[in-house]
Amino acid sequence: SAVISQKPSRDICQRGTSLTIQCQVDSQVTMMFWYRQQPGQSLTLIATANQGSEATYESGFVIDKFPISRPNLTFSTLTVSNLSPEDSSIYLCSSKSGRNSGTQYFGPGTRLLVL
Amino acid sequence: GENVEQHPSTLSVQEGDSAVIKCTYSDSASNYFPWYKQELGKRPQLIIDIRSNVGEKKDQRIAVTLNKTAKHFSLHITETQPEDSAVYFCAASKNTDKLIFGTGTRLQVFP
Repeated sequence: SAVISQKPSRDICQRGTSLTIQCQVDSQVTMMFWYRQQPGQSLTLIATANQGSEATYESGFVIDKFPISRPNLTFSTLTVSNLSPEDSSIYLCSSKSGRNSGTQYFGPGTRLLVL
Repeated sequence: GENVEQHPSTLSVQEGDSAVIKCTYSDSASNYFPWYKQELGKRPQLIIDIRSNVGEKKDQRIAVTLNKTAKHFSLHITETQPEDSAVYFCAASKNTDKLIFGTGTRLQVFP
């Protein structure tokens, strides 16, 4: 299975600021995904990060609020901009394994608290 | 778009009993159905998955069944153990692309 790391693991931010989360995969992958998991809730897909093209955002999520970069096949960043307390959540990245293209593995998550 | 419903939201069983969690999906084009287990403070871990070309898959104490006609799939855990206690999420996907998750089931196994 792919080994996925995220930085930071947690952060506390002031409202109005931004946080950039990094996701690193130990092998080249075509697709990386960013999810949000609000406290006690399920996982909601924010966007699909495609290498060499713009990210594809799900309904309710916009590029101005959640800009994504995908500079190469092993790395992606998600920025959560203009933070408000409602952005307090866990943000997880995932990628599809190269051996079995259907299997998605998750990073450990970034726990964000906005004051 | 795809919508996945999951029941029950909580499930309590005695150690050794079986647990069953059910999910329904809306998009008949979905063809990949994984199940994830998430322990408190940890990342979701894939425990089993099934594709639409099979009706059942088993891995030791865990099995998943799929009914394409009814558009529902279920997770079965037999001989439950306290370490099975966690939140379980089903998901659906078209062509192994993005995953749409169910709302989750909190399973508690009492010794």
